Amino acid sequence: QQPVQSPQAVILREGEDAVINCSSSKALYSVHWYRQKHGEAPVFLMILLKGGEQKGHDKISASFNEKKQQSSLYLTASQLSYSGTYFCGTEGGSQGNLIFGKGTKLSVKP
Amino acid sequence: NAGVMQNPRHLVRRRGQEARLRCSPMKGHSHVYWYRQLPEEGLKFMVYLQKENIIDESGMPKERFSAEFPKEGPSILRIQQVVRGDSAAYFCASSPLRGQSTDTQYFGPGTRLTVL
Repeated sequence: QQPVQSPQAVILREGEDAVINCSSSKALYSVHWYRQKHGEAPVFLMILLKGGEQKGHDKISASFNEKKQQSSLYLTASQLSYSGTYFCGTEGGSQGNLIFGKGTKLSVKP
Repeated sequence: NAGVMQNPRHLVRRRGQEARLRCSPMKGHSHVYWYRQLPEEGLKFMVYLQKENIIDESGMPKERFSAEFPKEGPSILRIQQVVRGDSAAYFCASSPLRGQSTDTQYFGPGTRLTVL
């Protein structure tokens, strides 16, 4: 089943914070986060594994609560370069392939 | 270390023609995944291959679509007798040896197919 992302879109001013959520109806072992700019390839941000893991990269961090079957991506003090569509991916039917959510479109304005 | 390579970047075909999309994985990666993305939508899994093997093709239409990953050379996604609905961006991704859900998948730049 496709994970559900919320919100669908968000507009921020530079320096503001945002949270993007990803939830699944099935048990998860891992959650993958990507960012895609218009017309470009998805770029890997981070992967979280079960165990309530949290990770961070610069001012972007994420948490994974496998009991609640959800993950959240936190963007702190957003920069213009954060604009893009953020996708979460969860495990598909076979080993390896991912099922992606519909994406959250983030726009950061000056 | 070169990233995932895809060519062509843009491909225009008329209805009924064949489209061939190529993907060279990152060096050292032996697992390739193909995804399709329609405008303003997410990525939809199509097929997962290892060298000379199709592991999972559950996301690929049964007719007109085929994929291979030969021992030598790139992975090929072939679409025969294309229709307008095939117009989309096709991305391939590669991951290293284990091919597990915990592996990071690195995406190529995509091939944008337009069917006239």
